[in-house]
Amino acid sequence: KQEVTQIPAALSVPEGENLVLNCSFTDSAIYNLQWFRQDPGKGLTSLLLIQSSQREQTSGRLNASLDKSSGRSTLYIAASQPGDSATYLCAVSYGGATNKLIFGTGTLLAVQP
Amino acid sequence: KAGVTQTPRYLIKTRGQQVTLSCSPISGHRSVSWYQQTPGQGLQFLFEYFSETQRNKGNFPGRFSGRQFSNSRSEMNVSTLELGDSALYLCASTLDTTGGKSGYTFGSGTRLTVV
Repeated sequence: KQEVTQIPAALSVPEGENLVLNCSFTDSAIYNLQWFRQDPGKGLTSLLLIQSSQREQTSGRLNASLDKSSGRSTLYIAASQPGDSATYLCAVSYGGATNKLIFGTGTLLAVQP
Repeated sequence: KAGVTQTPRYLIKTRGQQVTLSCSPISGHRSVSWYQQTPGQGLQFLFEYFSETQRNKGNFPGRFSGRQFSNSRSEMNVSTLELGDSALYLCASTLDTTGGKSGYTFGSGTRLTVV
């Protein structure tokens, strides 16, 4: 069964800290992996998209890495800010004859001012 | 460019009623997928439509159905509502035929409350 897990489930850090969110997937034959951010009661905002052939992607203070062989991805947030407080979700696509995402369980991040 | 638009944003329905939710994808995107988000189950795939055809369906009862129109707009319908159907319903669109290589864009969701 294809499953995606995120650790930790919740994280609280003081402003300015660098932090790492983890995502693991049971089936390593992914097509790509996408990180999203979700504010309370809102939709999903795409942060980074990593293709299966890539090792990492960067956008501003965010860096996402992918290790297919070990079934893991990490999202690194540098110099965290209170505005980064949200739930972070990773989702994997396995391709095939459809478009479907399998989501992780999410990490609730709180950055304290 | 306009994003993915979902209407309505909020709905309150009574048990036993039915409801229809709408999703307009980004212009040019022919694939629309639907997801249900609840605190207990997280985000779960409902179904995906491409060029008016349902290509994949998640593990949901037959009360959940959908369709896609020739302009790629999609609707999902839930009949005989149950309290457990209360959730945030999200739709996503992608430019790709399969695999979502260019990534997915999500709408703001419809919050359905069943009382």
